[in-house]
Amino acid sequence: GDSVTQMEGPVTLSEEAFLTINCTYTATGYPSLFWYVQYPGEGLQLLLKATKADDKGSNKGFEATYRKETTSFHLEKGSVQVSDSAVYFCALSGYGQNFVFGPGTRLSVLP
Amino acid sequence: EAGVTQFPSHSVIEKGQTVTLRCDPISGHDNLYWYRRVMGKEIKFLLHFVKESKQDESGMPNNRFLAERTGGTYSTLKVQPAELEDSGVYFCASSQIGEYFEQYFGPGTRLTVT
Repeated sequence: GDSVTQMEGPVTLSEEAFLTINCTYTATGYPSLFWYVQYPGEGLQLLLKATKADDKGSNKGFEATYRKETTSFHLEKGSVQVSDSAVYFCALSGYGQNFVFGPGTRLSVLP
Repeated sequence: EAGVTQFPSHSVIEKGQTVTLRCDPISGHDNLYWYRRVMGKEIKFLLHFVKESKQDESGMPNNRFLAERTGGTYSTLKVQPAELEDSGVYFCASSQIGEYFEQYFGPGTRLTVT
C-alpha cells in the first residue's frame, strides 16, 4: 500500500538557520502531496501542497517540490523563526482516496 | 467562522471502560473524517462520512469502535470496551463537498487508556 517516510526528529535549530525535513513516498498512480503543521495545542493545518510532478508548493516561507523521479517532497525554509516550532507531517492522497501521513517531525527553534 | 471542534480535549479511562469522543465540523461541511495518531506514529485514517452516511470505514481497527453522525451534523466515535492500544490522539476533519483536499482539522482528543 501507499506509504510516507519522513525524518522523525526531533530537529533542533537556532533561529535563522536553514531547515530541511526530508519526505519520501511510495504510491501507485500519481498522488497529490501535502505538508501539514501542528502548532502546540492546535489542530493540523495545511501548510502547502503540490498536485503534480515538478509543482512547487509554498507558504509562509516554506517550500517543497514534487519530485517524481526521486519520489520525494522535501520541506525547506531558508530562515526559521521560533514561531515555526511545531510538528510537521508529510502526507499523500489520490483524489477521493484516503490521506496517508508520515510519522511527523518535531521541530524546535531556539532563540 | 468557527473551526472544527472536538470534545473532550483529553480523556483518561481504565481498560474495559467506554469513551465517546465528539466532533463538531465546520458548518456546511458535508464531509467528516476521523483519524488517529497512536504512540507518536503516523496519523491513520479511520473513516469518512458524507452527511450522515459512512462513505468509507476501511480504517476502523475493529468492532470496538463505533462512529455515528446522526442528522449529518456532529459525529461521535465510541470505543467500547477500551484497550490499552487505543491510547493516542484522535483527530476529526471536515471539508465541503468537492473540496476533498481542503480538509480542516480539529485540535484532537488525547485518549489515555490505563
